[in-house]
Amino acid sequence: DVKVTQSSRYLVKRTGEKVFLECVQDMDHENMFWYRQDPGLGLRLIYFSYDVKMKEKGDIPEGYSVSREKKERFSLILESASTNQTSMYLCASSLEQGLGNQPQHFGDGTRLSIL
Amino acid sequence: KQEVTQIPAALSVPEGENLVLNCSFTDSAIYNLQWFRQDPGKGLTSLLLIQSSQREQTSGRLNASLDKSSGRSTLYIAASQPGDSATYLCAAPQAGSEKLVFGKGTKLTVNP
Repeated sequence: DVKVTQSSRYLVKRTGEKVFLECVQDMDHENMFWYRQDPGLGLRLIYFSYDVKMKEKGDIPEGYSVSREKKERFSLILESASTNQTSMYLCASSLEQGLGNQPQHFGDGTRLSIL
Repeated sequence: KQEVTQIPAALSVPEGENLVLNCSFTDSAIYNLQWFRQDPGKGLTSLLLIQSSQREQTSGRLNASLDKSSGRSTLYIAASQPGDSATYLCAAPQAGSEKLVFGKGTKLTVNP
């Protein structure tokens, strides 16, 4: 089974802090994704990576950056955390075998609170 | 730009009932559609992925159908159980991309 592991289930940080959310997958997947999920807004894509050191902006990249130095690890960085970044963050991965041939697999999520 | 809608937002049924969850999408030039389940406070679990060349996909008591021409997909759950209570989300890709656009989900409650 595919395993996508997010480093923290719950995280509390202060406004202005630099925050790192880590995601690791164990299935050699090329594609990795970061989403945030908010009540009434659903899941929205923040960033997407299709290979090591490659990244592509999603729908809401402002205030975030990402890092993918190794294939199995995809990090989401909040450069200067703000209260409107309090949310549930979800990481996903998928195998690259032509467009859409493989499902996305999700981690358990990190519930981040910015005080 | 792809938009995905799920109606109703919430559904409550008695145990044992067969039920259908609906998903509609605006851009029918999709190559697949995926259904997920989400339990409270948890991540998403992939249930079914239907390729555009398929019309149906089955897994146990779940059956998903895809009608690209009408921009609709349905998830059929047979003989519902309290353990099926969760939020069900569908997702369709942005044109020519691996990026998924998600509906806001249908929260299902199966009452014993």
